[in-house]
Amino acid sequence: GNSVTQMEGPVTLSEEAFLTINCTYTATGYPSLFWYVQYPGEGLQLLLKATKADDKGSNKGFEATYRKETTSFHLEKGSVQVSDSAVYFCALKETGGYQKVTFGTGTKLQVIP
Amino acid sequence: SQTIHQWPATLVQPVGSPLSLECTVEGTSNPNLYWYRQAAGRGLQLLFYSVGIGQISSEVPQNLSASRPQDRQFILSSKKLLLSDSGFYLCAWSVGDRGIQPQHFGDGTRLSIL
Repeated sequence: GNSVTQMEGPVTLSEEAFLTINCTYTATGYPSLFWYVQYPGEGLQLLLKATKADDKGSNKGFEATYRKETTSFHLEKGSVQVSDSAVYFCALKETGGYQKVTFGTGTKLQVIP
Repeated sequence: SQTIHQWPATLVQPVGSPLSLECTVEGTSNPNLYWYRQAAGRGLQLLFYSVGIGQISSEVPQNLSASRPQDRQFILSSKKLLLSDSGFYLCAWSVGDRGIQPQHFGDGTRLSIL
């Protein structure tokens, strides 16, 4: 079956530091890939997506590139802010059938001033 | 634009009591609908998904059930809650497409079982 593996957290960074959250996946076929962000006490919000190999998703300074050869979709940001503190989920979505989504376990990011 | 509403936001229930959580979507038709549970400090567990009225697929056998009485309404229920049912419940929808569109989530219901 499909699976998504994320680096375990929490990740603690100082403001303006560079962020990388690793995500790798296993899937049959060619899934779409997503990053979601969850702020405390809230639901998940879509952060960015990529639907085919070599696509780069970007939003709010975050980026991730769909790497088919390494089955990875690492999240990066050049300079994090305190307001980026949240839990980040990597996910894949099947492109056929019921299009089920498989989530990683989430990585908590803490940015300190 | 499409919106998703989930209620209640917070619920405290005794063990053995029934449960009904409701989710509605506006601004779209024939969405795929999903119920997830997020236990404290853990990832999301898919509980149920539905691709149409009356069509429910269960991912995890348990004492919960789901129903879709209308196109844009998805209900999560239980006849008798267990302590292990505590958690953060999230409803989500997506369009039925080739799989390139994301899921959109409600604000969640925090359920505490006493």
